[in-house]
Amino acid sequence: EVQLVESGGGLVQPGGSLRLSCAASGFTFSDHYMDWVRQAPGKGLEWVGRTRNKANSYTTEYAASVKGRFTISRDDSKNSLYLQMNSLKTEDTAVYYCARVLTTVGGGPFDYWGQGTLVTVSS
Amino acid sequence: EIVLTQSPGTLSLSPGERATLSCRASQSVSSSYLAWYQQKPGQAPRLLIYGASSRATGIPDRFSGSGSGTDFTLTISRLEPEDFAVYYCQQYGSSPPGFGQGTKVEIK
Repeated sequence: EVQLVESGGGLVQPGGSLRLSCAASGFTFSDHYMDWVRQAPGKGLEWVGRTRNKANSYTTEYAASVKGRFTISRDDSKNSLYLQMNSLKTEDTAVYYCARVLTTVGGGPFDYWGQGTLVTVSS
Repeated sequence: EIVLTQSPGTLSLSPGERATLSCRASQSVSSSYLAWYQQKPGQAPRLLIYGASSRATGIPDRFSGSGSGTDFTLTISRLEPEDFAVYYCQQYGSSPPGFGQGTKVEIK
């Protein structure tokens, strides 16, 4: 059974940093692109960024709203995905989901999602 | 960047009725790389449809997707009580892979 479990959320002050983790199981993690998606309270879904697989040199992409502040990485030996968030702003307050891209070749829809972890940026 | 606009914002229907949700893209979505998700309160989204019309694993056949280019539709043939939720479209043919703002299907 495919499982994605996020952790690391919490309360942080504006300008602070936080690192989220996503532990994957039940599939060959190294084959898949992995993404982060967030959802502000009462709002819609916003794509945050992506890390491609080893075959695509682990390249990353980011939404304009987080580029230069957030960094996505992965450790295939630990089946884990990470989101390092720096210079946090109040507008980064959201539930953060990790999501698996369905296909192993190129981009695709998200067929599995974690349960989400809440990040609150407030003084 | 492709912008997706969903309509209507809210759809008020009764169980057993047919629901038709629209998703319009600001430019053509390549290869019909359009997906639909369902989200219930407090839960993660669930993939329903991808490639504009292919049902994801385990999705009942009352859910169907259609469309191409810039206009896409999600149809729920007969609403079940568990179908009342928010639905999002997403394009993944170009970067960034953005979402529409959502359509809430509520009980009338």
